[in-house]
Amino acid sequence: QKEVEQDPGPLSVPEGAIVSLNCTYSNSAFQYFMWYRQYSRKGPELLMYTYSSGNKEDGRFTAQVDKSSKYISLFIRDSQPSDSATYLCAMSAGNQFYFGTGTSLTVIP
Amino acid sequence: ETGVTQSPTHLIKTRGQQVTLRCSSQSGHNTVSWYQQALGQGPQFIFQYYREEENGRGNFPPRFSGLQFPNYSSELNVNALELDDSALYLCASSLAAGQGYSPLHFGNGTRLTVT
Repeated sequence: QKEVEQDPGPLSVPEGAIVSLNCTYSNSAFQYFMWYRQYSRKGPELLMYTYSSGNKEDGRFTAQVDKSSKYISLFIRDSQPSDSATYLCAMSAGNQFYFGTGTSLTVIP
Repeated sequence: ETGVTQSPTHLIKTRGQQVTLRCSSQSGHNTVSWYQQALGQGPQFIFQYYREEENGRGNFPPRFSGLQFPNYSSELNVNALELDDSALYLCASSLAAGQGYSPLHFGNGTRLTVT
């Protein structure tokens, strides 16, 4: 079983839609949870990070962590064509970060 | 604030050769981690360097080695290249664990192709 599971998609939505991206994990020692966005031929760019269970909002992005269910989500409101990218969830318990395989998102104008 | 920079951006090598990839960390960061990202996969942890010493290693063979310099920049060396080593190699900088929570900040990577 992989440490982190993420649906690879691809996911295609119309502009303005609400997007929900999800990851599950198996290691209860994970304490830090992150979402990265990766454009083609670029490195991952940090979008959101959180430590505790609950919600964290930043502009159009909301990260949600449910430690009891070992489940994290990223919601994107009012999606834009510029949001088209691969979204990676990541989590850590120390100096090693574990990533999902990434979900490919396309927002159609 | 200067971000993470990596060089070269692309590299083509032949099986059996050796390669050195370079990374300059983001200003204010003292820890460098290296990750391998195969096509269509998430990054996989290779190792981390802090205070010029290896501070954790993933499931990679010894032919993957590294260095960190006093200015916190770093090198990744791969010996006896294999076809499966073809991937995007990502460098990420952060603060050390115990110095406050610090997520990884990535460079744009080096695309290595082994033929």
